Amino acid sequence: KAGVTQTPRYLIKTRGQQVTLSCSPISGHRSVSWYQQTPGQGLQFLFEYFSETQRNKGNFPGRFSGRQFSNSRSEMNVSTLELGDSALYLCASSPPSLTGQYGYTFGSGTRLTVV
Amino acid sequence: LAKTTQPISMDSYEGQEVNITCSHNNIATNDYITWYQQFPSQGPRFIIQGYKTKVTNEVASLFIPADRKSSTLSLPRVSLSDTAVYYCLVVTSGGYNKLIFGAGTRLAVHP
Repeated sequence: KAGVTQTPRYLIKTRGQQVTLSCSPISGHRSVSWYQQTPGQGLQFLFEYFSETQRNKGNFPGRFSGRQFSNSRSEMNVSTLELGDSALYLCASSPPSLTGQYGYTFGSGTRLTVV
Repeated sequence: LAKTTQPISMDSYEGQEVNITCSHNNIATNDYITWYQQFPSQGPRFIIQGYKTKVTNEVASLFIPADRKSSTLSLPRVSLSDTAVYYCLVVTSGGYNKLIFGAGTRLAVHP
């Protein structure tokens, strides 16, 4: 079956702009999570959505937001971009239980560069 | 969520067995141990998960002692393509889907 699809793969934006990233989870997965990965901070949890509701949120400013649609596809938005937002943004989908056999499936990410 | 500690880096040679140990002293009763592998500019990939004793799949084995305060990921006969960062995580059964990643172990496999 198809994996987790993230678009776009690469993105260059200017400080102050906003950006929207998209994630299509594995068919049948209703949970979608977002992570930010930077060399300095590593992999950090942003938020998690299940059935269009945000269930969990990491420690990021309000400029980072997300949503999930009825087909489980998810988008995340970053407003008023800062240089420090340059990162690899990863989306992951998971079956109902984290302790299932296969765990999370991550996409290949969107590499965002803010200039 | 239990904090994990693992070596920052390891070196090995092709064909050798590699064992990466992770410490998770504060693991709770309903926590599982999970390992992910990540290549540069890609998302982490699930390798294996276990609760206690030994779990084996087609790519790795996971050894968990009775006290569950540590675990060891074993990669048999590594190849150059196993060069990656390996993350040990503790996940909670029934908990909200949220993974806490540490710094991971950077494994370098040499010819």
